[in-house]
Amino acid sequence: DAKTTQPTSMDCAEGRAANLPCNHSTISGNEYVYWYRQIHSQGPQYIIHGLKNNETNEMASLIITEDRKSSTLILPHATLRDTAVYYCIVYKAAGNKLTFGGGTRVLVKP
Amino acid sequence: DGGITQSPKYLFRKEGQNVTLSCEQNLNHDAMYWYRQDPGQGLRLIYYSQIVNDFQKGDIAEGYSVSREKKESFPLTVTSAQKNPTAFYLCASSMTSLQNIQYFGAGTRLSVL
Repeated sequence: DAKTTQPTSMDCAEGRAANLPCNHSTISGNEYVYWYRQIHSQGPQYIIHGLKNNETNEMASLIITEDRKSSTLILPHATLRDTAVYYCIVYKAAGNKLTFGGGTRVLVKP
Repeated sequence: DGGITQSPKYLFRKEGQNVTLSCEQNLNHDAMYWYRQDPGQGLRLIYYSQIVNDFQKGDIAEGYSVSREKKESFPLTVTSAQKNPTAFYLCASSMTSLQNIQYFGAGTRLSVL
């Protein structure tokens, strides 16, 4: 599976949009981009995933560049409860294995 | 209330002892997974099972064993061969499909006495 690179940490103001970048320059054509988050001492929670088109659900939006080498997770109106570690994962459907890297530690401040 | 239940929440192991972590799901998912998480680190895959009576080693299977006798249950045994078992253990499940969304339990925190 392709590896991902994320910033180690970032801060965000409450009520503002949080934009979380992820680089996956070695992604192949059949690999999806998944985002999970983990609030302290809890199990990870699925957020969103996509292949090549931009995706939106009730939690977030996922913007994937045209060359698919990077993506951005957007939390439109960050709240204090969005403070968590966010993992960007590239997943090959046949593999049934998610590889979690270090993630981005997001701190939402009042 | 559907989901994944892990028990116990906290577990202590003595030297040379085997301990078993429970994972049960009522989501009717085919696939189940065990991960280990060390402080400040990401998750690493220990074992996974795509179907009853079948399972595969993940990246760090040494010192661990699993069984999958029922669809809803995937217990993990931490054996005495695992010399550094202190960690946060997470169980997950997913429908085996083209798009794999995994649902996680609340985790078991294992410590060595």
